Parts: sequence; structure tokens; C-alpha cells
Amino acid sequence: NFMLTQPHSVSESPGKTVTISCTGSSGSIASNYVQWYQQRPGSAPTTVIYGDNQRPSGVPDRFSGSIDSSSNSASLTISGLKTEDEAHYYCQSYDSSNVVFGGGTKLTVL
Amino acid sequence: EVQLVESGGGLVQPGGSLRLSCAASGFTFSTYDMHWVRQATGKGLEWVAGVRTAGEANYPGSVKGRFTISRENAKNSLYLQMNSLRAGDTAVYYCVRWGYLSFLDVWGQGTTVTVSS
Repeated sequence: NFMLTQPHSVSESPGKTVTISCTGSSGSIASNYVQWYQQRPGSAPTTVIYGDNQRPSGVPDRFSGSIDSSSNSASLTISGLKTEDEAHYYCQSYDSSNVVFGGGTKLTVL
Repeated sequence: EVQLVESGGGLVQPGGSLRLSCAASGFTFSTYDMHWVRQATGKGLEWVAGVRTAGEANYPGSVKGRFTISRENAKNSLYLQMNSLRAGDTAVYYCVRWGYLSFLDVWGQGTTVTVSS
């Protein structure tokens, strides 16, 4: 079964840049789009990146996504970190008709 | 306003059954694929089931044969029939729309299922 692996946690200071990785277990992560969801405590997830590198309306351009085929991984980069960015982030793709989530990364901004 | 409202969660004994419902409003329900995603307390997101506009359903191995997703387009409603429930099924269950841009773009507020004796 296709799996997505994320670091359990990352931390960085306000104003800095952080990158969260999402590595595919097999095949090519570039074969299907990767999405990134942000989830704050007590709330449902919201999309910050879709289609590998597209931002939904309302998501600031501090958020960007990319794919690295050589490492079979996707990345979410957040620049100019704000304390409000502190949340869990989940990558998501698909395998055949099945939706697959990464395990999630807790971003701490301190 | 585009909205998804889940209902039907509650406390059920191991081996029991529960049926979740999701009422959709503010969009043409019949033209969207729909999914259920769950999240156990303190854990990550887990995809539970998906149904296409034409009714084709898909499940992960963890629930296949126990859960059934269905939709009733005339009532703008999505359902999840859960049988043979286990403690590991305890979670908040979200009803989620798969948008035209191919991502999970609208989430409900979730309904809590607790499987315990």
C-alpha cells in the first residue's frame, strides 16, 4: 500500500522559513497531485496547497508547495513564519482510487 | 453558503452498528464526489470511504467489509453505515467534499463516534 511519511514535528522562529517534507513509499509521487492541509486545534482541516503547488483563494503567498522526483517527496514551505501558522500540517495524495494522508507534522512557531 | 453537517454519532458497544448522515447545502451535491475522513483523539487524519457521483465506492483495508458509504442525491445526503465496530473506530468522523480542483475542499464540523463497553 502506498504511504506518505512526514516528520512528526518541526519548529522555527517567527519570521523564518520552514519546510515540511512528505515522502512517498513507492512509485512516483509525481504521478498524482499532492495537497497540504492545515489543522488548528479544535477545528477541521483547511487546504493550503492543492495540485502540488497551487494556493486556494485566501491563502497567503507565504505558503508554497513543490515536488522533488529525485527524492520521491513533496514539500510545503512557509516563509515569514507567524505565530498563527502554528498547527498540524498533513500532506495528501491518492493511490488508485484511495485517498492517502501523511501522518501529519506539528509545526511549532516559537 | 456551502455547508456539510454531520449527525448520527454517539456511544456504541463493540460489535455494534451506527449510521452517520451528512446533510449538504449550498452546492449541487450530485455533481461532487464525497468522502468520509476520521480522526482519533490526538491522532492524524485517516480516509475512511469515498463515493463518486455515479455511486462507485472505495474503502481502505481497515474498514472494507464493515463500512458502507452511500449517497442520496435527491436528499442532498451522504451516509456511512458502520458495522462490527471496534474500539479502534473511535474518532471524530468528517464528511468532506472532493472539489472540482481535485482536493478535499469543504469539511463538515465532524461527529464523534465512541466504541466502548
